[in-house]
Amino acid sequence: AQSVTQPDIHITVSEGASLELRCNYSYGATPYLFWYVQSPGQGLQLLLKYFSGDTLVQGIKGFEAEFKRSQSSFNLRKPSVHWSDAAEYFCAVGAGSGGGADGLTFGKGTHLIIQP
Amino acid sequence: DTGVSQDPRHKITKRGQNVTFRCDPISEHNRLYWYRQTLGQGPEFLTYFQNEAQLEKSRLLSDRFSAERPKGSFSTLEIQRTEQGDSAMYLCASSSRAGGTGELFFGEGSRLTVL
Repeated sequence: AQSVTQPDIHITVSEGASLELRCNYSYGATPYLFWYVQSPGQGLQLLLKYFSGDTLVQGIKGFEAEFKRSQSSFNLRKPSVHWSDAAEYFCAVGAGSGGGADGLTFGKGTHLIIQP
Repeated sequence: DTGVSQDPRHKITKRGQNVTFRCDPISEHNRLYWYRQTLGQGPEFLTYFQNEAQLEKSRLLSDRFSAERPKGSFSTLEIQRTEQGDSAMYLCASSSRAGGTGELFFGEGSRLTVL
């Protein structure tokens, strides 16, 4: 069964500083990988996704993520965070078939706090 | 594109009552998912429809839970005899088979509080 680990429950970053959120996955084949962001009381918004090809993917709001097969990782980065980036971030892995219980498995999330 | 909409956004009920949530997916999407999210956790898969057929159900979905998608459009999730442990955010998502990328588009969720 697929699984996702986000080792950091909380991360605090100063505004303007760089950010890296860690994600490790377990999956038997080539995974489809996603990062979603959730603001308080809201649904999830897709930041970026990886299916194949270039292992460095660009997303919305200035985020990027790098797929490293050897490390089973898909870490999210941003060179300079803004106060509006404070939110919960979820990494997810999918089978790519788009369906079923294997459709998407989420990590427990990382809560990002931005210090002024 | 109106996105995925869910109703109601918030529901407070007493233990033992029944509740029903509705989800309207993006119109051209044939796949619809229900997830449950408790405080401090990521979303957990509950069930999935392709058109009107319910193809999978998680073991998290007890007999008190039932979901339907009668005409392959909107879906309802009913919880009977609610328990305090049912308190959670219930998220609906939809996706399109075309492309098979597996990307899910989420609604804003229905928050259930069972007193």
